[in-house]
Amino acid sequence: GENVEQHPSTLSVQEGDSAVIKCTYSDSASNYFPWYKQELGKRPQLIIDIRSNVGEKKDQRIAVTLNKTAKHFSLHITETQPEDSAVYFCAASRGGGGADGLTFGKGTHLIIQP
Amino acid sequence: DAGVTQSPTHLIKTRGQHVTLRCSPISGHKSVSWYQQVLGQGPQFIFQYYEKEERGRGNFPDRFSARQFPNYSSELNVNALLLGDSALYLCASSLRRNQPQHFGDGTRLSIL
Repeated sequence: GENVEQHPSTLSVQEGDSAVIKCTYSDSASNYFPWYKQELGKRPQLIIDIRSNVGEKKDQRIAVTLNKTAKHFSLHITETQPEDSAVYFCAASRGGGGADGLTFGKGTHLIIQP
Repeated sequence: DAGVTQSPTHLIKTRGQHVTLRCSPISGHKSVSWYQQVLGQGPQFIFQYYEKEERGRGNFPDRFSARQFPNYSSELNVNALLLGDSALYLCASSLRRNQPQHFGDGTRLSIL
């Protein structure tokens, strides 16, 4: 089955700086890669996703890049703000979380220092 | 529009008991998936249901079962509870099987 590795486990950045979280996946058949943000005690919230026919996708301060050859995808957050502090999870699946479900990484605790 | 709703919010059970968790998807969503999230880990896939049929199953024992009703709501059942079943159980819904999944707030299950 699919295996998703996520790094780093904790990331501390100064407010206004950029943050990058990286994930690798093992199943070459995976073609859908969402990112979720989970604040303490709250639901995972879908913040951005990318499908394998696209190399990059951007939504305001958030962007995701995908390298299918290397089986690697990354989340980029620019101009970080205190409300960006949370745990971020990457995930992979065959087709939008189909029959195999979403396989998640272990999460990155992003801390925005004032 | 209401998001994914789950009940109960919290539940305390003892070893060997049985539990039923409930999920109502976003209106119009026909697919429901269940995940288990242990503290400090990412969610782990348990089941996916679409159009009232099981479409996928993760690596969980047969003590775990689920079903989806005609109104697309779903139940997750766990029998013979073990201490290791203590976790946050998340339900996610999507418009169809291969569409983005949106999570509920989860049910926090504690086994004593």
